[in-house]
Amino acid sequence: AQSVTQLGSHVSVSEGALVLLRCNYSSSVPPYLFWYVQYPNQGLQLLLKYTSAATLVKGINGFEAEFKKSETSFHLTKPSAHMSDAAEYFCAVTKNFGNEKLTFGTGTRLTIIP
Amino acid sequence: GAGVSQSPSNKVTEKGKDVELRCDPISGHTALYWYRQSLGQGLEFLIYFQGNSAPDKSGLPSDRFSAERTGGSVSTLTIQRTQQEDSAVYLCASGPRLAGAREQYFGPGTRLTVT
Repeated sequence: AQSVTQLGSHVSVSEGALVLLRCNYSSSVPPYLFWYVQYPNQGLQLLLKYTSAATLVKGINGFEAEFKKSETSFHLTKPSAHMSDAAEYFCAVTKNFGNEKLTFGTGTRLTIIP
Repeated sequence: GAGVSQSPSNKVTEKGKDVELRCDPISGHTALYWYRQSLGQGLEFLIYFQGNSAPDKSGLPSDRFSAERTGGSVSTLTIQRTQQEDSAVYLCASGPRLAGAREQYFGPGTRLTVT
């Protein structure tokens, strides 16, 4: 079975400050990992993905994440927060064969303080 | 190109009625998924279609839920005899399912309210 844990259901950062959203995974097989963002009343938008290539993954909107197998982590970061980053962020895991259904974390709501 | 589209965007129905939710995946994507997003349960997998293979229905919460995918493209999720606990946002996603490309692209969702 696979699972992800997102630490912190709510995170607030000041505009211009570092954004760090935490995700830890559990998987019995090599995982594929994803971060999605959801703006109010919209679907999920893919931010970035890890599929066993480079461990440091760059995504859209200046976000990046690093896969650390030793820590079973895939934390999302952005050097400088922007007001438009306010949204809910979901970490998700899947396996690389069979039914690749996504198993999501519970989400982290990011608030940007002006 | 066009993304995943879903219709209707909102649906209000009375308890006990049947509803149909539609999903148009991205052209050429062989994998199609349905998920449900609710306050109490978060994001849950419902059903998975891959090409002409039998669907994986392991996430369907009850036999009142069913889905089909016609011609490997459009999919319809049907909920019979709706209950208030079915109220949620139903999300459809499609993916290319290629080596190294397991990402899924989501539609805007259908918000279902059962009164």
